[in-house]
Amino acid sequence: EAQVTQNPRYLITVTGKKLTVTCSQNMNHEYMSWYRQDPGLGLRQIYYSMNVEVTDKGDVPEGYKVSRKEKRNFPLILESPSPNQTSLYFCASSFGDVPTGELFFGEGSRLTVL
Amino acid sequence: AQRVTQPEKLLSVFKGAPVELKCNYSYSGSPELFWYVQYSRQRLQLLLRHISRESIKGFTADLNKGETSFHLKKPFAQEEDSAMYYCARSGNTPLVFGKGTRLSVIA
Repeated sequence: EAQVTQNPRYLITVTGKKLTVTCSQNMNHEYMSWYRQDPGLGLRQIYYSMNVEVTDKGDVPEGYKVSRKEKRNFPLILESPSPNQTSLYFCASSFGDVPTGELFFGEGSRLTVL
Repeated sequence: AQRVTQPEKLLSVFKGAPVELKCNYSYSGSPELFWYVQYSRQRLQLLLRHISRESIKGFTADLNKGETSFHLKKPFAQEEDSAMYYCARSGNTPLVFGKGTRLSVIA
């Protein structure tokens, strides 16, 4: 089944404890992206990648890192999480290096930073 | 800045009433517009795109370049339409989303 898979789906952590949210897609998509979803603010893009080894900042990249060493994986790294990073995170992918078509989303990862 | 604006955070309608979710965009070129939907506890999924000019689950949306709008409409709302709806625009940059409108259909 074609899908985008995120892990973990739920995580509670403490300030400063490094964590990684993994994202994997099995559709051979070039484009991958991370979003955070917050009430009243909608979806905001954190980072995106147009292909392997090519990443770029979105609207809210502060406090996050990403890497794209393989086409299928695009992990989101929080080196030193803070409470303002408590949010619902979505990974998405799309065919082509610029998503002019359909974005496929993961199920989301709900992160709470205490 | 090239943005997508959804003026309503929340829209409540009665079952069977018409629905219109507003979306306005700013873009100097020829955009592609999309509507995404997120049902409770589910992932976002594409509802429809302007280029296909189709009706999905009774919803339609027409691109009005003069008014730079892409409003989502349905003549008779159903309870299962209750969800979060996002308008999105693509162009020569990655997809830009509006802030979303939560549609609540009241029985």
